Amino acid sequence: DAKTTQPTSMDCAEGRAANLPCNHSTISGNEYVYWYRQIHSQGPQYIIHGLKNNETNEMASLIITEDRKSSTLILPHATLRDTAVYYCIVREQGAQKLVFGQGTRLTINP
Amino acid sequence: DAGVIQSPRHEVTEMGQEVTLRCKPISGHDYLFWYRQTMMRGLELLIYFNNNVPIDDSGMPEDRFSAKMPNASFSTLKIQPSEPRDSAVYFCASSFGFSSYEQYFGPGTRLTVT
Repeated sequence: DAKTTQPTSMDCAEGRAANLPCNHSTISGNEYVYWYRQIHSQGPQYIIHGLKNNETNEMASLIITEDRKSSTLILPHATLRDTAVYYCIVREQGAQKLVFGQGTRLTINP
Repeated sequence: DAGVIQSPRHEVTEMGQEVTLRCKPISGHDYLFWYRQTMMRGLELLIYFNNNVPIDDSGMPEDRFSAKMPNASFSTLKIQPSEPRDSAVYFCASSFGFSSYEQYFGPGTRLTVT
């Protein structure tokens, strides 16, 4: 079972920052937070992951609260191509299984 | 690299027929995963291999499903006999290393069983 809770859907205007929240209140100390997204009719795509520090890469930023019970994925300047379902997943380092929940359907509006 | 390759991209078959889905992982990757996606159940892991050996097949729905990985560059997922409830998109993914943080997914095979 997925260990995360995400809103079912969100909307964001093109060019604005998209902030996608995720609750993982039962996360354990050795579990990482991962984000994947799935654009329509494609396979899921890795975005970013983190343990307890904030992380940033060319795609997004990940903000993890100090108690690690929640996190936020930030797409700084959303484009229409960012319209997708975004999945927040918690997983132990070395564990291979990805357990996908229902994710958040993000729609970027022009 | 061409990424993970799956074939066919679309498959339509009649109930009772055998279906074989194919996957070529990214060269050098030592983990291979088979996922299934439906509207009802979402995206779920069926089985995964490490160095061609099945490690966890707890997600395989029943004996009608079988998966093999005869070598590092090829895997099959077979359904025999197929049923309408097997209709789904089947994804193959691969990754490298025990501590890998990224699985690379293929484009999927859309299976329709009538």
